[in-house]
Amino acid sequence: GAVVSQHPSRVICKSGTSVKIECRSLDFQATTMFWYRQFPKKSLMLMATSNEGSKATYEQGVEKDKFLINHASLTLSTLTVTSAHPEDSSFYICSARGGASDTQYFGPGTRLTVL
Amino acid sequence: KQEVTQIPAALSVPEGENLVLNCSFTDSAIYNLQWFRQDPGKGLTSLLLIQSSQREQTSGRLNASLDKSSGRSTLYIAASQPGDSATYLCAVSKGFKTIFGAGTRLFVKA
Repeated sequence: GAVVSQHPSRVICKSGTSVKIECRSLDFQATTMFWYRQFPKKSLMLMATSNEGSKATYEQGVEKDKFLINHASLTLSTLTVTSAHPEDSSFYICSARGGASDTQYFGPGTRLTVL
Repeated sequence: KQEVTQIPAALSVPEGENLVLNCSFTDSAIYNLQWFRQDPGKGLTSLLLIQSSQREQTSGRLNASLDKSSGRSTLYIAASQPGDSATYLCAVSKGFKTIFGAGTRLFVKA
């Protein structure tokens, strides 16, 4: 099946720094990618939807200047958490939509810890 | 606004037992429904995908059903094993949006 990778899988950073998370569709072209956030023992919450070559659409309550999303190619989307704070610590999961069946495939997630 | 509810929130069963996880959604106009497994600290593993025109899907010991009109889906796990212990998430999709339930945390005791 289709594979979506995320890098890094785990990152620890100091408060105030920026962190970039990459999401790649390895064997298919993803016209749309999604970024989710998951709090402990909670479900995934959609943060934003990005289409290749255009600006991301953010869900209500998600700060677009805080969470910068770039979808520069059909196989890569990046999420940058700017000026990270401890409350940004979370599990971030991306997904990519595409392939022959136009199914949504999920990445393995990135655990962000902000000290 | 679509809301997805999963019951129970947590479940502990002895090994070998058959079990049913429930998922309900408020808006029946969906494209598909998907069941995922998530191990602690890990990403999502897709288990079964049911298109809106389908009633059920089966994979090994897993069987998922979909009743769109009533807004319900069930995930049936036969002959549960300790390795089935994980959180099971139900998600419904419409257009580009996928809404997840909060999950059912399953623990299968050896």
